[in-house]
Amino acid sequence: DVKVTQSSRYLVKRTGEKVFLECVQDMDHENMFWYRQDPGLGLRLIYFSYDVKMKEKGDIPEGYSVSREKKERFSLILESASTNQTSMYLCASSLEEVAAFFGQGTRLTVV
Amino acid sequence: GQSLEQPSEVTAVEGAIVQINCTYQTSGFYGLSWYQQHDGGAPTFLSYNALDGLEETGRFSSFLSRSDSYGYLLLQELQMKDSASYFCSAGGGYQKVTFGTGTKLQVIP
Repeated sequence: DVKVTQSSRYLVKRTGEKVFLECVQDMDHENMFWYRQDPGLGLRLIYFSYDVKMKEKGDIPEGYSVSREKKERFSLILESASTNQTSMYLCASSLEEVAAFFGQGTRLTVV
Repeated sequence: GQSLEQPSEVTAVEGAIVQINCTYQTSGFYGLSWYQQHDGGAPTFLSYNALDGLEETGRFSSFLSRSDSYGYLLLQELQMKDSASYFCSAGGGYQKVTFGTGTKLQVIP
């Protein structure tokens, strides 16, 4: 069965902290994505990666960075967390540009 | 860039048919896919159209017209459990996948 696992379901961090969100997939997919989801705004693409050590900016990369050292793992990094980064973060993986499989999401609150 | 537009809310009666539309503007386009998301859950993949026409998967069908930059998701024999948010998504160049803002479907008895 397809599986995308995010390291935390809920996370509370303080303003200015460095935050790591981890995502692991077991499907040998080349493509991995990080989205954030906010009410009324849908899913907005932060970063994506189509191969190990490769990364591309999505639509809202400011304040974020990513790391893909291994094919199965894609990490999202908030260099200095701010309250406007409070959101639901969703990781996904896919073989092509479609049929993305999502993790269960991490609800991050920055206080 | 890429943008996809969907209606924000749709209400339909149990047992009826409902159509959720999606128009898109993308720089590079590979196909349109649809996802369902229940409150508190993660999006789950429903269907994908790479070519013009209708794709049917059980009670759900999806349609694409590349010339009109338009697609829709058709849900038949609506059930209460179909109450959820539905997102269209476009695959563009360099494996970039962008989502619309979502349509909240409410099924009423």
